[in-house]
Order: sequence, then structure tokens, then C-alpha cells
Amino acid sequence: AQSVTQPDIHITVSEGASLELRCNYSYGATPYLFWYVQSPGQGLQLLLKYFSGDTLVQGIKGFEAEFKRSQSSFNLRKPSVHWSDAAEYFCAVGMKTSYDKVIFGPGTSLSVIP
Amino acid sequence: NAGVTQTPKFQVLKTGQSMTLQCAQDMNHEYMSWYRQDPGMGLRLIHYSVGAGITDQGEVPNGYNVSRSTTEDFPLRLLSAAPSQTSVYFCASSYGRLAGDEEQYFGPGTRLTVT
Repeated sequence: AQSVTQPDIHITVSEGASLELRCNYSYGATPYLFWYVQSPGQGLQLLLKYFSGDTLVQGIKGFEAEFKRSQSSFNLRKPSVHWSDAAEYFCAVGMKTSYDKVIFGPGTSLSVIP
Repeated sequence: NAGVTQTPKFQVLKTGQSMTLQCAQDMNHEYMSWYRQDPGMGLRLIHYSVGAGITDQGEVPNGYNVSRSTTEDFPLRLLSAAPSQTSVYFCASSYGRLAGDEEQYFGPGTRLTVT
């Protein structure tokens, strides 16, 4: 069955430090991959997406993610975290099946220490 | 352009009551979806619609009904509320297929508590 895992439930980093959020998926074909961010009390906002081509994808707010087929991973990175990046981050996998389906991971909560 | 709007923002129901969560979008999107978000479980698809008059079930449809009479509106009905339906509900829309190269736009959510 298709699934998305985000191994880290909660991460705390200092402002200015680098960040990597992990995402692994289970799916038989090449999926469509997304990272969304959810600020407290808000809906989800798309950070970046991967469909094909270059496996390093640039997104908004200085984020990037790399698709590694051999590891079934799509990790999110940012070289220098800002206090405003504190939020919940969701990895999602899209697949074209008999009906379109997007599966979300459980999320990683990011705290930023000033 | 308001995007995706949801009402109400908060709701408390007693077990057995019914209610409708409203969702509207002004982007002329064909695809609309309802998700529920529970701690540690991410978002799970309840129902979705690929256009006016066409709806289908997602992963967790039991206890919920939907209809899509217009492109703009996609209400979610709780038939007989149960404590297990306590959750945050998100409506989303996109121009194209859910798993295609289209971004989903999310509403701000409705926080529902069933006592």
C-alpha cells in the first residue's frame, strides 16, 4: 500500500542553522511529490513540488528538496532557518490511480530558537 | 480574489447533531476536496469532486455526505455527529487533477468538536 513517512515528529533548530526534514514514501511508480507548510491556525501552503526532470527542486521561502529514487526519499532543506519558518511541514505524494489521490505524511513540527 | 473560504471557523456539536461545513472558491477550479486533519496522521481525504455534479469518496468517507451543485461550492455534511469526528477540516481546490502538476489551494480550516 502507498504510504508517506516523516520520521521526525518534532525538530528544534537555532535561527541561522541549516535544516533538513526527511520524507520517505512507498509507491510502485514514480510519484508526484510535494512539500506543504502550515503555520499555526492556517491552511496549507505549497512550498515546492516535483513531477519530473531535475531531481533538485527549488521552492518558495528559500527551501529546496531533492528527489532520490533509489532511497524513495524527498527531503526538504534550507541553508539558514528564520524564526518565521516555525510551522508544521507536510510531505505529500500524488499518484494517478483510478481516482487521483494525494497522500499526506503525518507532519514534522519545526521550532526555531532565536 | 478570496481564494478558498470556509465557514464556520469553529463549531461545537453534541453527539447525534447534524451540520454542514461550507466551502467556496472563486478561482473557477474544477477539483475540490475535503480533508480531515488529526494529530500525528496528516491529512486524510474524505470526499472529492472533479466538477459540478460529480463527487466520489476518499479514504475516510463514512459519516459524511457531499454534493456539488455549482463549480464554486462544495459543502460537507455531517449526518449524525460522533466524537470520532472531532477534527480540523480543510477544503482544497485545484484547477486540474489532484495528482497532476496542479497546486492545491487550501482554506483556513474548520475546527470541529463533538461532545
